[in-house]
Amino acid sequence: GNSVTQMEGPVTLSEEAFLTINCTYTATGYPSLFWYVQYPGEGLQLLLKATKADDKGSNKGFEATYRKETTSFHLEKGSVQVSDSAVYFCALDDNDMRFGAGTRLTVKP
Amino acid sequence: DADVTQTPRNRITKTGKRIMLECSQTKGHDRMYWYRQDPGLGLRLIYYSFDVKDINKGEISDGYSVSRQAQAKFSLSLESAIPNQTALYFCATSDLQRDQPQHFGDGTRLSIL
Repeated sequence: GNSVTQMEGPVTLSEEAFLTINCTYTATGYPSLFWYVQYPGEGLQLLLKATKADDKGSNKGFEATYRKETTSFHLEKGSVQVSDSAVYFCALDDNDMRFGAGTRLTVKP
Repeated sequence: DADVTQTPRNRITKTGKRIMLECSQTKGHDRMYWYRQDPGLGLRLIYYSFDVKDINKGEISDGYSVSRQAQAKFSLSLESAIPNQTALYFCATSDLQRDQPQHFGDGTRLSIL
């Protein structure tokens, strides 16, 4: 069946550091891929998405590229801020939504 | 007001009790979902519904039931709660069109003693 694997956390970075959170997936079809972010005490919010191979999703300085050949959708940001501290979830939708386990990011001043 | 509202936000109850968690939405979406979140496991789908007369089991439906009372309302029931159902529960909605993101409520923290 479909599944998502993302790098385990927690991840701790200093402000302005480069961020990568790895995400790989297994799917039988051609899924859409998403990154969601969860702030404390809140539900998940869409961060970005990509619906087909080679698409790049981007939002708030975050980017991820849909790589079909490596079945990956890694999240990157060039310079993180303290306000980016949250839990990040990779997800796929192939008429069957699957989420990764989540990666907690803490950014220190 | 929130687009997806879950009630209650917190609940503590005892083993064997029947519990209902409610979700209502003002987004006009056809699709509604119930998930549970456990540390290190991400979100797992319990049930989902694509319209009022449609109910589908997710990954972990055992021990749960749902009711889609109207397009805007989707409730989750635990018929006889057990401690390993202690978790954070989320309701979500999405548009009927493929590839649309899900919109989440703020969650219900459920503790079963």
